[in-house]
Amino acid sequence: DVVLTQSPLSLPVPLGQSASISCRSSQSLVYGDGGTRVNWFHQRPGQTPRRLFADFSKRDSGVPDRFSVSGSGSDFTLEISKVEAEDVGLYFCMQHAHWPHTFGQGTNLEVQ
Amino acid sequence: DVQVVESGGDLVQPGGSLRLSCVGSGFTFSVFWMNWVRRVPGKGLEWVANISPDGSMGRCVDSMRGRCSVSRDNAESSLSLHMSDLRSEDTGIYYCVAWDASAYWGPGTVVTVSS
Repeated sequence: DVVLTQSPLSLPVPLGQSASISCRSSQSLVYGDGGTRVNWFHQRPGQTPRRLFADFSKRDSGVPDRFSVSGSGSDFTLEISKVEAEDVGLYFCMQHAHWPHTFGQGTNLEVQ
Repeated sequence: DVQVVESGGDLVQPGGSLRLSCVGSGFTFSVFWMNWVRRVPGKGLEWVANISPDGSMGRCVDSMRGRCSVSRDNAESSLSLHMSDLRSEDTGIYYCVAWDASAYWGPGTVVTVSS
């Protein structure tokens, strides 16, 4: 199975500062059609996960442009600029280039 | 409002069977890939199964092959997961996830496999 390794696992960020989360894959996430099948999710405490980006860079509806993604192949980064209190929670990456689809361990973002 | 709601989680003895259900509303269920994902204590999130929008393609992960089947009824906007020969490692919170241009998760249903 494809292993997704996120870092850091815990990320304290002062309000208004930036945050960066890495997701590294054990295999390339470029699918046969040339698309990159990595997604990012955010889960606030007590809520269901919300997808932020699909297929590498397709921003889901309502996701602020403070959130951005970068990377290619097997190395990806989610960046959050000007962190707000509502950004607290678990962030995780997920791939669906290979079966079974797999998830990263998650990064717990704490807003200070 | 979009809603995805799972049901059917229970305490089951090892070797037992269970059927989980999921109902979606507020979105066009029939165009979404539907998925079952579980959160296993100490292991994180794991994909369990998925099924294509028309129901023609359904599959389970290797660890559950032969013990798992997934089906859907688009007329009822419902999804099912039937699991048999349950093991302690199947314990977890099972989530129904609708996947397309948007992604919707249910709150989960708890499956505990224990004697």
